[in-house]
Amino acid sequence: KQEVTQIPAALSVPEGENLVLNCSFTDSAIYNLQWFRQDPGKGLTSLLLIQSSQREQTSGRLNASLDKSSGRSTLYIAASQPGDSATYLCAVRGQGAQKLVFGQGTRLTINP
Amino acid sequence: EAGVAQSPRYKIIEKRQSVAFWCNPISGHATLYWYQQILGQGPKLLIQFQNNGVVDDSQLPKDRFSAERLKGVDSTLKIQPAKLEDSAVYLCASSLAPGFNEQFFGPGTRLTVL
Repeated sequence: KQEVTQIPAALSVPEGENLVLNCSFTDSAIYNLQWFRQDPGKGLTSLLLIQSSQREQTSGRLNASLDKSSGRSTLYIAASQPGDSATYLCAVRGQGAQKLVFGQGTRLTINP
Repeated sequence: EAGVAQSPRYKIIEKRQSVAFWCNPISGHATLYWYQQILGQGPKLLIQFQNNGVVDDSQLPKDRFSAERLKGVDSTLKIQPAKLEDSAVYLCASSLAPGFNEQFFGPGTRLTVL
């Protein structure tokens, strides 16, 4: 059974800092991994999707990496801004499986 | 392109009452998902539809939860009777094709059971 863990559960940093969010998964036989952002009272917004054959994906100030063999992914946020404050969730889809398995999220606060 | 629509946005009920949630996926998306997200946790899949057929309902508490997608478009999720532990956000998502395409989420319905 796939399990996804995100550390830390909460993170608070001053504006302008670069930061890394971590995601680990127990079964390396994944099809893809997706990072989402969730604002309070809102649904999930997809940030980046990495296929199992890829090592990283970039979108603006965001960079996500994937190391399947070690069961890890990181989300790098450059030059953080107060608008980046949200909960960040990672989710994996197993090979042959159709459902996403989510981590519990990291609640990020960027202080002005 | 319109996103995934859900209603109501908020619902407060007493335990043992029934409640229903509605979801309208993105036009043309064949696959529809219902997730339950308890406070402080990641979403958990309850049920997945491919058109109007059920693909996965292994984590749906079938003694009290039911869902349907009669015409392969809109879907409803019902809880009857509700328990305190059903308090959560219920998220609907859709994807273009089964399995491996990106999922797009609606804003969710926040349910409070008193």
